[in-house]
Amino acid sequence: DGGITQSPKYLFRKEGQNVTLSCEQNLNHDAMYWYRQDPGQGLRLIYYSQIVNDFQKGDIAEGYSVSREKKESFPLTVTSAQKNPTAFYLCASSIVAAADYEQYFGPGTRLTVT
Amino acid sequence: DQQVKQNSPSLSVQEGRISILNCDYTNSMFDYFLWYKKYPAEGPTFLISISSIKDKNEDGRFTVFLNKSAKHLSLHIVPSQPGDSAVYFCAASEGTNAGKSTFGDGTTLTVKP
Repeated sequence: DGGITQSPKYLFRKEGQNVTLSCEQNLNHDAMYWYRQDPGQGLRLIYYSQIVNDFQKGDIAEGYSVSREKKESFPLTVTSAQKNPTAFYLCASSIVAAADYEQYFGPGTRLTVT
Repeated sequence: DQQVKQNSPSLSVQEGRISILNCDYTNSMFDYFLWYKKYPAEGPTFLISISSIKDKNEDGRFTVFLNKSAKHLSLHIVPSQPGDSAVYFCAASEGTNAGKSTFGDGTTLTVKP
């Protein structure tokens, strides 16, 4: 089955530690995205990648970093510089980075930092 | 400044009746609009979309209406079913902006049997 895998589903870290969230897709999609969702709010774009070895900042990139070394993988690192890292993180992909192509989402990772 | 707004955090309807979810936007550069549905602890799934060159798009029980002059779109679900109970997100995109979507805060729909 084609889809997007995010692991782990739940992640706990101590404040001051960097943590990397995994996102893998086998849909052969060129574009990938990372969103953050806080309670009662919509999805806010952190980073996106239109093609391998290329990525751009979204609306809330501060304190986060990404890499896109392979088409199927787009890991997100939440650094200690992110002031409020506790949130629900969603990875998505689309065939191409264009407005008229819907995004396919993974199941999400809930990160708790204490 | 929130560019996509869903002013109703929640909506409750009876099974078999119509559900109408609303979405307003402020950026006149948006030219493509999408609705996503999200169940708890899952990622959103695409439901239906509409281009700014159209005013209506229909897919089975789901219809999206776009009023560009009012910068308003709505999602109609007829008839509503208990399985439709979920959070619905409205998203808007600019054609020249690499598929970046701006999402509203969502409306939680509850369909009562």
